[in-house]
Amino acid sequence: SYDLTQPPSLSVSPGQTASITCSGDKLGTKHNCCWYQQKPGQSPVLLISQYNKRPSGIPERFSGSISGNTATLTISGTQTMDEADYYCQTWDSLNVVFGGGTKLTVL
Amino acid sequence: QVQLVESGGGVVQPGRSLRLSCVASGFIFSNYAMHWVRLAPGKGLEWVAMISFEGSDENDEFYVDSVKGRFTISRDNSKNTLYLQMNSLRVEDTAVYYCAKDDGVFTFDSWGQGTLVTVSS
Repeated sequence: SYDLTQPPSLSVSPGQTASITCSGDKLGTKHNCCWYQQKPGQSPVLLISQYNKRPSGIPERFSGSISGNTATLTISGTQTMDEADYYCQTWDSLNVVFGGGTKLTVL
Repeated sequence: QVQLVESGGGVVQPGRSLRLSCVASGFIFSNYAMHWVRLAPGKGLEWVAMISFEGSDENDEFYVDSVKGRFTISRDNSKNTLYLQMNSLRVEDTAVYYCAKDDGVFTFDSWGQGTLVTVSS
């Protein structure tokens, strides 16, 4: 099976930039990567879609990029409300794959 | 606006069955592929199954290996409803199950509120 690797946790101070990475052999080749935010007790929310696009309603401080086989979600000027779990996701051969998730703590 | 409302979760013994439903509104349901994704306690998101916009036969259905042969995804486009029939349930199937709309490139642009399935003796 295909894997996406994320750091389990990341801690930043309010106002700092948070960078969450996602590594996978096939990223940056045929298929790109999406990012989701999930807060406790809530449903996931799409943050960054294919080709690093931000859906309407998602703040500009969230951005996505890809270099080689690593995708990065960047949160500029992190706010306390951004404390959540973040997941990258892609697909291959009609199988969808999520990264293991990164718990972002803002304090 | 897009709304996805799941139902059918509950507590069930190992080996038993359960059927989840997801009623969609706010978009043309028959135009989009749909998915089930789950979140087990203390774990990360896991994709479970996908069905094409037509969903007319088994070639339109795709599953994660751990549920193949036990779960069946289906849809009724006349009722704007997505289903997940779960048979031979295992303790490790315990999770919140979400239905999610595919935006056309395997991206989940809308999610339901989730329904909790607990498999326990």
